[in-house]
Amino acid sequence: RKEVEQDPGPFNVPEGATVAFNCTYSNSASQSFFWYRQDCRKEPKLLMSVYSSGNEDGRFTAQLNRASQYISLLIRDSKLSDSATYLCVVRDSSYKLIFGSGTRLLVRP
Amino acid sequence: EAGVAQSPRYKIIEKRQSVAFWCNPISGHATLYWYQQILGQGPKLLIQFQNNGVVDDSQLPKDRFSAERLKGVDSTLKIQPAKLEDSAVYLCASSLDWGNSYEQYFGPGTRLTVT
Repeated sequence: RKEVEQDPGPFNVPEGATVAFNCTYSNSASQSFFWYRQDCRKEPKLLMSVYSSGNEDGRFTAQLNRASQYISLLIRDSKLSDSATYLCVVRDSSYKLIFGSGTRLLVRP
Repeated sequence: EAGVAQSPRYKIIEKRQSVAFWCNPISGHATLYWYQQILGQGPKLLIQFQNNGVVDDSQLPKDRFSAERLKGVDSTLKIQPAKLEDSAVYLCASSLDWGNSYEQYFGPGTRLTVT
């Protein structure tokens, strides 16, 4: 079983749509959680951290369910510029980042 | 502020040849990482340095891969000899320190093709 699992997609949505991605992790001792964004043929960049209480950054909302070992990312009012691959990331007890394989989002006009 | 620099950007070699990649992290960043990203997968950590010391190289195929960060600043990653399955993008990243590993800044990567 992979340590971090994501639906590869692609999710193909129209502009203005709301889209949600999910991610599960296998190690219950994982310390902290993040979403990174990777544009096509570019490097990954930190999008946001994920807290148990949930957190919001503009149109993006991230949530963590430790009991189910499940992380989510919700994007509201999708823009063309949101088209990218979204990487679910878990930091383990030694502070190492473990990346999922990513979920690809395509936002169409 | 200058980002993480990597060179070369692209490299094509034949199997069994050697190749080396170079990385210069963001100034002042103590922790440097090398990742391998195979097409369709997320980055996989190969080695992590804290200043010039190795923190984690548990996933580095040491029979063919080596890396160094002699002066605690820039770093090189070498593959010798290369195999077809080494075709991937090699990403270098840096963070302020080990505790800030959640916020890593990545370079543009070196795209390696082994034929």
